[in-house]
Amino acid sequence: GAVVSQHPSWVICKSGTSVKIECRSLDFQATTMFWYRQFPKQSLMLMATSNEGSKATYEQGVEKDKFLINHASLTLSTLTVTSAHPEDSSFYICSARGWASGSADQETQYFGPGTRLLVL
Amino acid sequence: DAKTTQPNSMESNEEEPVHLPCNHSTISGTDYIHWYRQLPSQGPEYVIHGLTSNVNNRMASLAIAEDRKSSTLILHRATLRDAAVYYCILKTGANNLFFGTGTRLTVIP
Repeated sequence: GAVVSQHPSWVICKSGTSVKIECRSLDFQATTMFWYRQFPKQSLMLMATSNEGSKATYEQGVEKDKFLINHASLTLSTLTVTSAHPEDSSFYICSARGWASGSADQETQYFGPGTRLLVL
Repeated sequence: DAKTTQPNSMESNEEEPVHLPCNHSTISGTDYIHWYRQLPSQGPEYVIHGLTSNVNNRMASLAIAEDRKSSTLILHRATLRDAAVYYCILKTGANNLFFGTGTRLTVIP
């Protein structure tokens, strides 16, 4: 299957600093990438949809000025958590849309391994 | 997005088959049924998807009811590495994936 990587895998930062998380599709081009957030013992929540070369579309309740998304190429999207606070501590997961191996009927989403953010 | 209903948790003995059910009574004709699983501290992993016919791949089988209002993910021989949260998701075209609470599968050695 397609491979999506994230960097860093974990980060600890002080309150008020900004943190950038990278998401890369390694063996396919992704015009659309997605950013999710997952708090402990909860399901994934979609934060935003990122289209290459255009502005991201944010889900209701997600502050676009706090969570800056850039999708400058077909293989890279970045999420910057600006002025991070302890309540932003979470597991951030990106995914990229592509074609499942051997499947030609519908694209599916491939997920990165996640980035654990801890804001002190 | 159409809603799916899954049991919160299930248990299985190692090396036995596991049948994970999913109800989606409000499914529309264009909704695909996708299954993902999430191992602890990892991103979700694609398992399988289908529209009307049953599907098989190297990971699992997907059995879809004739009226498409329910489906079952089948793991033929559960291993300890299959312990995860399994999500059943309906997806139309290029729409996003919205995750429910899923089924937490525990595999007993």
